[in-house]
Parts: sequence; C-alpha cells; structure tokens
Amino acid sequence: SAVISQKPSRDICQRGTSLTIQCQVDSQVTMMFWYRQQPGQSLTLIATANQGSEATYESGFVIDKFPISRPNLTFSTLTVSNMSPEDSSIYLCSVDGVAISSTDTQYFGPGTRLTVL
Amino acid sequence: AQSVAQPEDQVNVAEGNPLTVKCTYSVSGNPYLFWYVQYPNRGLQFLLKYITGDNLVKGSYGFEAEFNKSQTSFHLKKPSALVSDSALYFCAVRPNQAGTALIFGKGTTLSVSS
Repeated sequence: SAVISQKPSRDICQRGTSLTIQCQVDSQVTMMFWYRQQPGQSLTLIATANQGSEATYESGFVIDKFPISRPNLTFSTLTVSNMSPEDSSIYLCSVDGVAISSTDTQYFGPGTRLTVL
Repeated sequence: AQSVAQPEDQVNVAEGNPLTVKCTYSVSGNPYLFWYVQYPNRGLQFLLKYITGDNLVKGSYGFEAEFNKSQTSFHLKKPSALVSDSALYFCAVRPNQAGTALIFGKGTTLSVSS
C-alpha cells in the first residue's frame, strides 16, 4: 500500500486567512483525491487532482475557495482560502495507485484537522 | 443518485460476541465495495474490499464482509469482538471505473464493552 503523509497535522487559524495543506506519497500515483470530513460527518469529496491538468471539483466546491496544485505524481496541495468557522473540518488526501500497481484500493493520509476561529 | 446507506449510527456489542455493521448501496453496474475504519484522531484505514469472486471476503484484524448482490448489501462482520475494535466504521463504494472517487456511507460507531 502507499504511504501518505500530510502537513500540517492540525492547525488553528483565524477567519479570513488561508491555509495550504500538503500531501506527499511515497510512490507515483495517477489519481489523488481531496476529501473533507466535517465534525461528526462522513467524508465528502472536494476534488480530484490529476498531474498536469486542472483539478475537477465536485458540486458545492469551487477553485477560488479550494485551489489545488498537482505538480508531479507524488505531491499535491489543497488551499483553504478566506476561511470561516464553517471550514473547520478534517481534510484528507487519498491516492489511487492505478498508474503503478493496478490497485483498486484508495489509501488515505492521516488527515489535517483544521479549526477556524 | 448513487448512494451508500449505513442504517445504524451506533452498534453496541459485548466483548467476545459476534458483531455486524450493516451497509447497503445503490450504485449502477458492478461497483467495488470497501470498508474503512477510523480511530479517534487518526485517518482512515483500509479493512477489506470486494471486487469480484467469492462473496465472503476477509480483511484485516479478523474482519470479514459478505457481498449480497440481490440485496445490494455488504455487511461487515467479526466472529468475536474486541474492545480495541471500538471505532468509527465507514462503508464505501466505487463505481466500476478506474480513477473514480469513493462514495461513503455516513459511518457507524462500534462500541465494544468489556
């Protein structure tokens, strides 16, 4: 399975500011996904990120609010912009190893716990 | 719309007893089915999956799940629960297409008492 790390693991931020979350994978992967888990809720997909192309956002999520970069096959960032308390969530990246080992399984990073005051 | 249902918010069992966490899905075609577990302040850990083949799949930590196509269900089971199994369990499905994201159920909290 892929080993995925995220930075930061947690942060407390002031409203109106932005936070960039990094996701690093120990192997090359085609697909990377960013999910949000609001307190006491399930996971909701924010966007799908492919290397070399624009991220694809789900309904309710926009690029201006959640810009994503995917500069190579092992790294991605998600920025939460102009934060409000409603953005307080756990943000998780996940990878799909289809490109390399034809795995059908998505593996998740440890998550970034964001609190917005 | 494609969806996953976990009808129980919480399941309570005594240590040593069998446990079942229920999951049904509504996805067209032949989806891939998964169970993940989340411990407090931790990310999601993969438990097991069904892609094709034998309807009973075995996974990590002694868990297994039974795929039932006619009932569109994928219930998670364990013959003998441990206190350390207490966690939040998510069922997820993936439409049978490479590179598609997971659709998650709302999660079921398993509480195992000693």
